[in-house]
Amino acid sequence: GEDVEQSLFLSVREGDSSVINCTYTDSSSTYLYWYKQEPGAGLQLLTYIFSNMDMKQDQRLTVLLNKKDKHLSLRIADTQTGDSAIYFCAEIAGDDKIIFGKGTRLHILP
Amino acid sequence: NAGVTQTPKFQVLKTGQSMTLQCAQDMNHEYMSWYRQDPGMGLRLIHYSVGAGITDQGEVPNGYNVSRSTTEDFPLRLLSAAPSQTSVYFCASSYLPDRGYDGELFFGEGSRLTVL
Repeated sequence: GEDVEQSLFLSVREGDSSVINCTYTDSSSTYLYWYKQEPGAGLQLLTYIFSNMDMKQDQRLTVLLNKKDKHLSLRIADTQTGDSAIYFCAEIAGDDKIIFGKGTRLHILP
Repeated sequence: NAGVTQTPKFQVLKTGQSMTLQCAQDMNHEYMSWYRQDPGMGLRLIHYSVGAGITDQGEVPNGYNVSRSTTEDFPLRLLSAAPSQTSVYFCASSYLPDRGYDGELFFGEGSRLTVL
């Protein structure tokens, strides 16, 4: 079945770049997403990439997609304390359902 | 501009009781879904719907029922609550991406359910 895998924790020093990785299994996914969840809140879309793209940049965010390896990454440049959150990778799997990974908790070190 | 509205925000049930979590959206989204979030497990899809009259099972459907009689509403029913259903539940909706939209999911604020 469909599966989305990502590491559970990442610690980064303030000002450094954060790279969060994700692998997915459904090669027919048309869109791949990164969502952010702050404590006590629901998820909000951070960015997304269409499957025919290799890279997408949006201010401090860079998304890289390697379709051959089914690997997606999110790079946050100049990481700030406000970036501390859980980041979820998600794909549109078969039959239009949207499947999420377990989430990566990003911890910012001073 | 209400977006996705979930009720109740908090609920405590005894084992065996039934209840319905309500979800309504006012954005005319075709796609609606229910997820549960548990520590270390991320978001797991319970049921979803791509339009009125259509529902389908997600990753963890057992113990839950849904219906989609209107575009706006997608209630989640627990027929006989069990402690394993203690969780935070999120309703989410979106346009389907096949009409040129990007499929961004809009989430409700969550419903925290405790089953004793």
